[in-house]
Amino acid sequence: AQKITQTQPGMFVQEKEAVTLDCTYDTSDPSYGLFWYKQPSSGEMIFLIYQGSYDQQNATEGRYSLNFQKARKSANLVISASQLGDSAMYFCAMSLDFGNEKLTFGTGTRLTIIP
Amino acid sequence: NAGVTQTPKFQVLKTGQSMTLQCAQDMNHEYMSWYRQDPGMGLRLIHYSVGAGITDQGEVPNGYNVSRSTTEDFPLRLLSAAPSQTSVYFCASTTGQEQETQYFGPGTRLLVL
Repeated sequence: AQKITQTQPGMFVQEKEAVTLDCTYDTSDPSYGLFWYKQPSSGEMIFLIYQGSYDQQNATEGRYSLNFQKARKSANLVISASQLGDSAMYFCAMSLDFGNEKLTFGTGTRLTIIP
Repeated sequence: NAGVTQTPKFQVLKTGQSMTLQCAQDMNHEYMSWYRQDPGMGLRLIHYSVGAGITDQGEVPNGYNVSRSTTEDFPLRLLSAAPSQTSVYFCASTTGQEQETQYFGPGTRLLVL
C-alpha cells in the first residue's frame, strides 16, 4: 500500500527566508502523482503544486517549487522568500490513479513564519 | 461558479443519531470524494465516486454510506453516529484528467456526543 511520510510536525522560519518542507513516499507503482496542499487556520484546502512521476523537470508555481528526487522517493516543497501569510499546515499527498480521485495524505507540517 | 459546497458547516449529534452531510459541485466534475480529517492524522479517504451511479470504498468506509444519483451531488450518510466519527469532513471533486488537482469544499465540522 502507498504511504506518505512528513517527518516535521512543526517548523519556525524567519520571514523572507526560504523553507523546505520534507515529504517522502512509498509505492511500488511506477506511475503516480504528488500534490502539495496548504491549509490555513480558516480550514480550507488550497492546492499548491503537482509533480508527475514521469515529469523530467521539477515543478514550479510562483514562489513554490518541488524538489523531486525519484530515486530517494522524496518530493520536498520549497517556499522561497517566505511571507507571514505562509503560516499554515502543509500536506503532501499522492495519487496512484489517473483520475486523482483517491489521494493518500501525509500527517502534515505546521509552518509558522516569524516576523 | 460556487465550486464545491458543503452543508452544514457545523453539526452536533448524539450517539446513535443519523444524518446526511451534503456535498454539491457545479463544475461538472465526474469524480467526487469524501475525506475525514482527524488531529495528527491528515486526511483519510472514506468513499469516492467516478460518476453517477458508481461509488466505491476508501480507506475508512465503516459507518458511512454514499450514493451518487446525479453528477452534481454526493451526500455522505452516517447511519448511527459514534463519538469516533467526531471529525472534520471534506468533500472534493475533480475532472479525472491527469495532473488535475482535487477541489475541496470548505468542510463540515461534526461533533458526536
